[in-house]
Amino acid sequence: GAGVSQSPSNKVTEKGKDVELRCDPISGHTALYWYRQSLGQGLEFLIYFQGNSAPDKSGLPSDRFSAERTGGSVSTLTIQRTQQEDSAVYLCASSFGTIAKNIQYFGAGTRLSVL
Amino acid sequence: EDQVTQSPEALRLQEGESSSLNCSYTVSGLRGLFWYRQDPGKGPEFLFTLYSAGEEKEKERLKATLTKKESFLHITAPKPEDSATYLCAVQSGYALNFGKGTSLLVTP
Repeated sequence: GAGVSQSPSNKVTEKGKDVELRCDPISGHTALYWYRQSLGQGLEFLIYFQGNSAPDKSGLPSDRFSAERTGGSVSTLTIQRTQQEDSAVYLCASSFGTIAKNIQYFGAGTRLSVL
Repeated sequence: EDQVTQSPEALRLQEGESSSLNCSYTVSGLRGLFWYRQDPGKGPEFLFTLYSAGEEKEKERLKATLTKKESFLHITAPKPEDSATYLCAVQSGYALNFGKGTSLLVTP
């Protein structure tokens, strides 16, 4: 079946502009995660959605970052007033959401460049 | 706070030269240790998950092992197509906490 789909694959924007990144998870997966991968750094957790529960936003680096998940499926990560330090690859993952045996499957990511 | 340290940062092997990658971790309540492979420009690809000390899993030329403090990814007789970055992650809550990875290059 289809894997996790992310769009766009690349995004170049100017400092101060807002951007939206989209994630379409694997069908049937109830949990969805956003991570950020900066050059030379490990993957950094941003936010977690599980079904209709309130999301875990504990990893969001600032209030310029927000995310929503509509209908328990597609998710959008929004970064307002982008800064150069926001440049990174943004990865989305999905899983069946059980805390045991919680294998997360990743999309190819969106590479964001802030000029 | 969970910590994951991978070593070495980079490893160059000749085809057929076996070696091991290390992942040391500290975590309060390990729910799982995960190994992923990441190729340039792609997302991480799931390889293995281990849940308890002493557990081992194998897939082709790769074998993952787990103790209470570390995990090893053993690569036996590697081929050039095994070249990639290998990521280790631990799960204590729902999110994964990743190490910075080991970049492996296998030359013919």
